[in-house]
Amino acid sequence: AQSVTQPDIHITVSEGASLELRCNYSYGATPYLFWYVQSPGQGLQLLLKYFSGDTLVQGIKGFEAEFKRSQSSFNLRKPSVHWSDAAEYFCAVGAGNNRKLIWGLGTSLAVNP
Amino acid sequence: SAVISQKPSRDICQRGTSLTIQCQVDSQVTMMFWYRQQPGQSLTLIATANQGSEATYESGFVIDKFPISRPNLTFSTLTVSNLSPEDSSIYLCSVEDGAFGGGSSYEQYFGPGTRLTVT
Repeated sequence: AQSVTQPDIHITVSEGASLELRCNYSYGATPYLFWYVQSPGQGLQLLLKYFSGDTLVQGIKGFEAEFKRSQSSFNLRKPSVHWSDAAEYFCAVGAGNNRKLIWGLGTSLAVNP
Repeated sequence: SAVISQKPSRDICQRGTSLTIQCQVDSQVTMMFWYRQQPGQSLTLIATANQGSEATYESGFVIDKFPISRPNLTFSTLTVSNLSPEDSSIYLCSVEDGAFGGGSSYEQYFGPGTRLTVT
């Protein structure tokens, strides 16, 4: 069965530091891959997506993610974190024909000043 | 991308009553989804709503508790019936972008959510 794992439940970084949030998936082929962000009290916003092609994808707010087929991973990165990046981050995959997304449990990011 | 609005944004309801949540999209979409997000948790899909057909419910969710309407390509409602404190959650609707009349992109856009508290 398809699954998504976000190994880190909670991460704290200092403002200006680099960030990497991990996402691993289980699926026999290359799925559609997504990262969403949910700020406190807000809905979910799509940060970036990967369907095919260049394995390094750029998103909004200075985020990027790299698809690594050999590791079944799609890690989210940002070179310099801002205090406003404090939020919940969700990795999701779409695979198969049912048009549904499979969601990770999320990683809560705190940013220290 | 589609712009989605939800009403109400929040509500406090007494147990045993029902709440109907509206989801309005600014463009025609084929697929609409309803999710529940319990406090501090990830998203759980309740059902998929296609226009002109019955909603498809996920395991653990039933139509009697969560009736859904999808009268046209831009609107849907989710009713949470016979409320109990365990129903206190954020309810989110989403749409699949770019798939109207075509294949699936899996790319979903979300409304701002409805925060329900049951007392």
